[in-house]
Amino acid sequence: SAVISQKPSRDICQRGTSLTIQCQVDSQVTMMFWYRQQPGQSLTLIATANQGSEATYESGFVIDKFPISRPNLTFSTLTVSNMSPEDSSIYLCRVDPIGLAHTQYFGPGTRLTVL
Amino acid sequence: AQTVTQSQPEMSVQEAETVTLSCTYDTSESDYYLFWYKQPPSRQMILVIRQEAYKQQNATENRFSVNFQKAAKSFSLKISDSQLGDAAMYFCAYRSDNDMRFGAGTRLTVKP
Repeated sequence: SAVISQKPSRDICQRGTSLTIQCQVDSQVTMMFWYRQQPGQSLTLIATANQGSEATYESGFVIDKFPISRPNLTFSTLTVSNMSPEDSSIYLCRVDPIGLAHTQYFGPGTRLTVL
Repeated sequence: AQTVTQSQPEMSVQEAETVTLSCTYDTSESDYYLFWYKQPPSRQMILVIRQEAYKQQNATENRFSVNFQKAAKSFSLKISDSQLGDAAMYFCAYRSDNDMRFGAGTRLTVKP
Protein backbone atom coordinates (compact mmCIF):
# COMPACT_ATOMS: atom_id res chain seq x y z
CA SER A 1 0.00 0.00 0.00
CA ALA A 2 1.05 3.60 -0.53
CA VAL A 3 2.01 5.88 2.34
CA ILE A 4 0.43 9.28 1.93
CA SER A 5 1.10 12.39 3.95
CA GLN A 6 -0.72 15.67 3.95
CA LYS A 7 0.54 18.96 5.27
CA PRO A 8 -0.69 20.71 7.26
CA SER A 9 -2.82 18.26 9.20
CA ARG A 10 -4.94 21.14 10.43
CA ASP A 11 -4.97 24.92 10.31
CA ILE A 12 -7.01 27.86 11.46
CA CYS A 13 -7.02 30.72 8.97
CA GLN A 14 -8.44 34.18 8.67
CA ARG A 15 -11.04 35.15 6.14
CA GLY A 16 -9.57 36.41 2.87
CA THR A 17 -6.28 34.54 3.15
CA SER A 18 -5.10 31.49 1.19
CA LEU A 19 -3.79 28.11 2.30
CA THR A 20 -1.82 25.57 0.30
CA ILE A 21 -2.23 21.91 1.22
CA GLN A 22 0.37 19.38 0.18
CA CYS A 23 -0.11 15.71 -0.65
CA GLN A 24 3.01 13.55 -0.81
CA VAL A 25 3.08 9.85 -1.76
CA ASP A 26 5.97 7.46 -1.15
CA SER A 27 5.60 5.87 -4.59
CA GLN A 28 4.63 6.95 -8.06
CA VAL A 29 0.92 7.01 -8.73
CA THR A 30 -1.10 7.46 -11.88
CA MET A 31 -3.89 9.66 -10.69
CA MET A 32 -4.28 12.11 -7.80
CA PHE A 33 -7.56 13.64 -6.72
CA TRP A 34 -8.65 16.27 -4.24
CA TYR A 35 -11.84 15.98 -2.20
CA ARG A 36 -13.67 18.30 0.15
CA GLN A 37 -15.64 17.00 3.12
CA GLN A 38 -17.77 19.67 4.73
CA PRO A 39 -18.76 19.17 8.38
CA GLY A 40 -21.01 16.15 8.76
CA GLN A 41 -21.08 15.57 5.01
CA SER A 42 -19.72 13.10 2.52
CA LEU A 43 -16.73 13.47 0.23
CA THR A 44 -17.12 15.70 -2.81
CA LEU A 45 -14.60 15.60 -5.63
CA ILE A 46 -13.01 18.98 -6.31
CA ALA A 47 -10.66 18.09 -9.14
CA THR A 48 -8.33 15.59 -10.70
CA ALA A 49 -4.68 16.62 -10.53
CA ASN A 50 -3.05 15.76 -13.84
CA GLN A 51 0.71 15.46 -14.06
CA GLY A 52 2.08 17.85 -16.66
CA SER A 53 -1.22 19.54 -17.48
CA GLU A 54 -3.98 21.58 -15.90
CA ALA A 55 -6.26 19.99 -13.34
CA THR A 56 -9.73 18.87 -14.34
CA TYR A 57 -12.38 20.49 -12.15
CA GLU A 58 -15.80 19.19 -11.19
CA SER A 59 -18.92 21.26 -11.59
CA GLY A 60 -19.07 23.97 -8.96
CA PHE A 61 -15.30 24.21 -8.48
CA VAL A 62 -13.06 26.65 -10.36
CA ILE A 63 -9.35 27.04 -10.80
CA ASP A 64 -9.26 30.58 -9.43
CA LYS A 65 -10.65 29.38 -6.10
CA PHE A 66 -8.85 26.02 -5.94
CA PRO A 67 -5.62 26.14 -7.94
CA ILE A 68 -3.90 22.79 -8.11
CA SER A 69 -0.38 21.79 -9.02
CA ARG A 70 1.08 18.39 -9.81
CA PRO A 71 4.73 18.76 -10.70
CA ASN A 72 5.54 15.04 -10.61
CA LEU A 73 4.09 11.58 -10.02
CA THR A 74 4.35 11.70 -6.22
CA PHE A 75 3.27 15.21 -5.21
CA SER A 76 0.36 17.59 -5.56
CA THR A 77 -0.85 20.77 -3.92
CA LEU A 78 -4.29 22.27 -3.50
CA THR A 79 -4.66 25.94 -2.65
CA VAL A 80 -7.83 27.28 -1.09
CA SER A 81 -7.87 30.94 -2.13
CA ASN A 82 -9.57 33.97 -0.64
CA MET A 83 -11.06 31.82 2.10
CA SER A 84 -14.42 32.31 3.75
CA PRO A 85 -15.97 30.41 6.68
CA GLU A 86 -17.83 28.26 4.13
CA ASP A 87 -14.46 26.78 3.14
CA SER A 88 -14.11 25.21 6.57
CA SER A 89 -13.84 21.52 5.73
CA ILE A 90 -11.61 18.51 5.67
CA TYR A 91 -9.60 18.30 2.47
CA LEU A 92 -8.41 14.87 1.41
CA CYS A 93 -6.22 13.68 -1.38
CA ARG A 94 -6.76 10.34 -3.04
CA VAL A 95 -4.18 8.47 -5.09
CA ASP A 96 -4.47 5.58 -7.51
CA PRO A 97 -1.32 3.44 -7.46
CA ILE A 98 0.33 2.24 -10.63
CA GLY A 99 -0.48 -1.33 -11.55
CA LEU A 100 -3.40 -1.84 -9.16
CA ALA A 101 -6.64 -1.39 -11.02
CA HIS A 102 -9.55 0.10 -9.12
CA THR A 103 -7.48 0.54 -5.99
CA GLN A 104 -7.22 3.84 -4.23
CA TYR A 105 -5.70 5.24 -1.06
CA PHE A 106 -6.59 8.36 0.87
CA GLY A 107 -4.40 10.80 2.67
CA PRO A 108 -5.03 11.51 6.36
CA GLY A 109 -6.83 14.75 5.54
CA THR A 110 -6.33 18.42 6.38
CA ARG A 111 -8.83 20.01 8.73
CA LEU A 112 -9.29 23.66 7.78
CA THR A 113 -11.14 26.17 9.92
CA VAL A 114 -11.74 29.65 8.56
CA LEU A 115 -12.65 32.37 11.03
CA ALA B 1 -24.87 10.01 -13.45
CA GLN B 2 -23.95 7.41 -10.91
CA THR B 3 -25.43 7.98 -7.46
CA VAL B 4 -24.93 6.25 -4.14
CA THR B 5 -27.65 6.34 -1.49
CA GLN B 6 -27.30 5.52 2.18
CA SER B 7 -30.74 5.85 3.72
CA GLN B 8 -29.66 5.48 7.34
CA PRO B 9 -28.02 8.66 8.68
CA GLU B 10 -27.48 6.98 12.05
CA MET B 11 -27.46 3.45 13.37
CA SER B 12 -26.89 2.04 16.82
CA VAL B 13 -25.85 -1.45 17.90
CA GLN B 14 -25.17 -3.16 21.19
CA GLU B 15 -21.65 -4.41 21.68
CA ALA B 16 -21.28 -8.04 20.45
CA GLU B 17 -24.46 -7.79 18.38
CA THR B 18 -24.85 -7.61 14.61
CA VAL B 19 -25.79 -4.57 12.56
CA THR B 20 -26.46 -4.07 8.86
CA LEU B 21 -25.84 -0.80 7.03
CA SER B 22 -27.73 -0.24 3.79
CA CYS B 23 -26.51 1.14 0.49
CA THR B 24 -28.06 1.35 -2.94
CA TYR B 25 -26.56 2.74 -6.10
CA ASP B 26 -27.57 3.65 -9.58
CA THR B 27 -25.45 2.99 -12.64
CA SER B 28 -25.66 1.98 -16.25
CA GLU B 29 -22.13 0.56 -16.22
CA SER B 30 -21.48 -3.16 -16.20
CA ASP B 31 -17.94 -3.04 -14.83
CA TYR B 32 -17.59 -1.34 -11.47
CA TYR B 33 -16.41 -1.77 -7.92
CA LEU B 34 -18.11 -1.14 -4.60
CA PHE B 35 -16.49 -0.28 -1.31
CA TRP B 36 -17.28 0.36 2.30
CA TYR B 37 -15.04 2.86 4.08
CA LYS B 38 -14.85 3.60 7.78
CA GLN B 39 -13.99 7.11 8.93
CA PRO B 40 -13.30 7.48 12.66
CA PRO B 41 -12.87 10.91 14.28
CA SER B 42 -9.24 10.86 13.15
CA ARG B 43 -10.80 11.47 9.67
CA GLN B 44 -8.63 8.80 8.03
CA MET B 45 -10.55 6.87 5.38
CA ILE B 46 -10.09 3.18 6.17
CA LEU B 47 -11.08 0.55 3.62
CA VAL B 48 -13.36 -2.01 5.23
CA ILE B 49 -14.31 -4.19 2.31
CA ARG B 50 -14.36 -4.23 -1.49
CA GLN B 51 -16.60 -6.00 -3.99
CA GLU B 52 -16.04 -6.46 -7.70
CA ALA B 53 -19.33 -6.28 -9.59
CA TYR B 54 -18.41 -9.21 -11.81
CA LYS B 55 -18.06 -11.50 -8.80
CA GLN B 56 -21.20 -13.20 -7.59
CA GLN B 57 -19.68 -14.27 -4.30
CA ASN B 58 -20.14 -11.78 -1.48
CA ALA B 59 -16.92 -10.35 -0.06
CA THR B 60 -15.99 -11.12 3.54
CA GLU B 61 -13.29 -9.67 5.79
CA ASN B 62 -13.31 -11.18 9.26
CA ARG B 63 -16.37 -9.71 11.05
CA PHE B 64 -17.39 -7.68 8.01
CA SER B 65 -19.39 -9.07 5.13
CA VAL B 66 -21.52 -7.68 2.37
CA ASN B 67 -24.78 -8.65 0.75
CA PHE B 68 -24.31 -7.70 -2.89
CA GLN B 69 -27.47 -7.82 -4.97
CA LYS B 70 -26.42 -6.70 -8.42
CA ALA B 71 -29.85 -6.75 -10.04
CA ALA B 72 -31.30 -4.70 -7.20
CA LYS B 73 -28.19 -2.49 -7.09
CA SER B 74 -27.90 -3.03 -3.40
CA PHE B 75 -24.72 -3.37 -1.36
CA SER B 76 -25.26 -3.69 2.38
CA LEU B 77 -22.58 -4.14 5.03
CA LYS B 78 -23.01 -6.53 7.93
CA ILE B 79 -20.87 -6.11 11.01
CA SER B 80 -20.91 -9.12 13.31
CA ASP B 81 -19.84 -9.20 16.95
CA SER B 82 -19.73 -5.40 17.03
CA GLN B 83 -16.91 -3.83 18.99
CA LEU B 84 -16.54 -0.40 20.54
CA GLY B 85 -13.83 0.34 18.00
CA ASP B 86 -16.33 -0.08 15.18
CA ALA B 87 -17.98 3.22 16.09
CA ALA B 88 -17.40 5.60 13.19
CA MET B 89 -18.90 7.06 10.04
CA TYR B 90 -19.31 4.47 7.32
CA PHE B 91 -19.35 5.46 3.67
CA CYS B 92 -20.50 3.31 0.80
CA ALA B 93 -18.63 4.08 -2.43
CA TYR B 94 -18.94 3.19 -6.09
CA ARG B 95 -16.13 3.28 -8.60
CA SER B 96 -16.08 2.85 -12.37
CA ASP B 97 -12.78 3.69 -14.07
CA ASN B 98 -11.54 6.83 -12.31
CA ASP B 99 -15.01 8.03 -11.32
CA MET B 100 -15.66 7.43 -7.63
CA ARG B 101 -18.83 8.46 -5.80
CA PHE B 102 -19.69 8.31 -2.13
CA GLY B 103 -22.90 7.97 -0.20
CA ALA B 104 -23.87 10.47 2.47
CA GLY B 105 -22.63 8.20 5.23
CA THR B 106 -24.07 6.36 8.22
CA ARG B 107 -22.90 7.19 11.71
CA LEU B 108 -22.61 3.98 13.72
CA THR B 109 -22.75 4.08 17.48
CA VAL B 110 -21.77 1.02 19.52
CA LYS B 111 -23.29 0.78 22.99
CA PRO B 112 -21.32 -1.04 25.70
